[in-house]
Amino acid sequence: EAGVVQSPRYKIIEKKQPVAFWCNPISGHNTLYWYRQNLGQGPELLIRYENEEAVDDSQLPKDRFSAERLKGVDSTLKIQPAELGDSAVYLCASGRKRGTLTDTQYFGPGTRLTVL
Amino acid sequence: GENVEQHPSTLSVQEGDSAVIKCTYSDSASNYFPWYKQELGKGPQLIIDIRSNVGEKKDQRIAVTLNKTAKHFSLHITETQPEDSAVYFCAAPGRGGSYIPTFGRGTSLIVHP
Repeated sequence: EAGVVQSPRYKIIEKKQPVAFWCNPISGHNTLYWYRQNLGQGPELLIRYENEEAVDDSQLPKDRFSAERLKGVDSTLKIQPAELGDSAVYLCASGRKRGTLTDTQYFGPGTRLTVL
Repeated sequence: GENVEQHPSTLSVQEGDSAVIKCTYSDSASNYFPWYKQELGKGPQLIIDIRSNVGEKKDQRIAVTLNKTAKHFSLHITETQPEDSAVYFCAAPGRGGSYIPTFGRGTSLIVHP
């Protein structure tokens, strides 16, 4: 099966500019996650979706970050305006959650964002 | 929330040796423990996972053990090969078992030929 698709793979912008990342999950997966990974660290969860509902966005900096998952499939993560500290790799993952059983996550290749 | 500690941060072994990476977690309600391998420029790839109803799981050269009493789980790689060189991450859910995954800081494994 095809994996999680993310685009773009790389993005370089100047601070205060907006930027958007797109994610297409594995077909049939009902959960979708956005993570931020700083250099030398593990991924940190930003937001988690079950179908089209954001079930946890407590770690999303809502003053500048927004996300949407229309129709419960593709998702977009936006930053406006970007700051220097937003430079990181943004990872998308998807899974198939059944009942209360924890779903296994499958990650995309990520988008490397550089803010100048 | 959940707190995951991963050790060591760097592990260097000779080809053919075994490698062990250990993680501890704080939330006793955590019930799912995956391990990921991340190569340069790629996203993390699941290599093995274990749920809290078993103590050990093995897949060819890779095994994971879980000690719920001590709240730690370990990744074991036997007969290491140069292609095993990568960064390995453990993760554990938090918030009473609801899956808000917290990742360790990663272990850079280097396998020398």
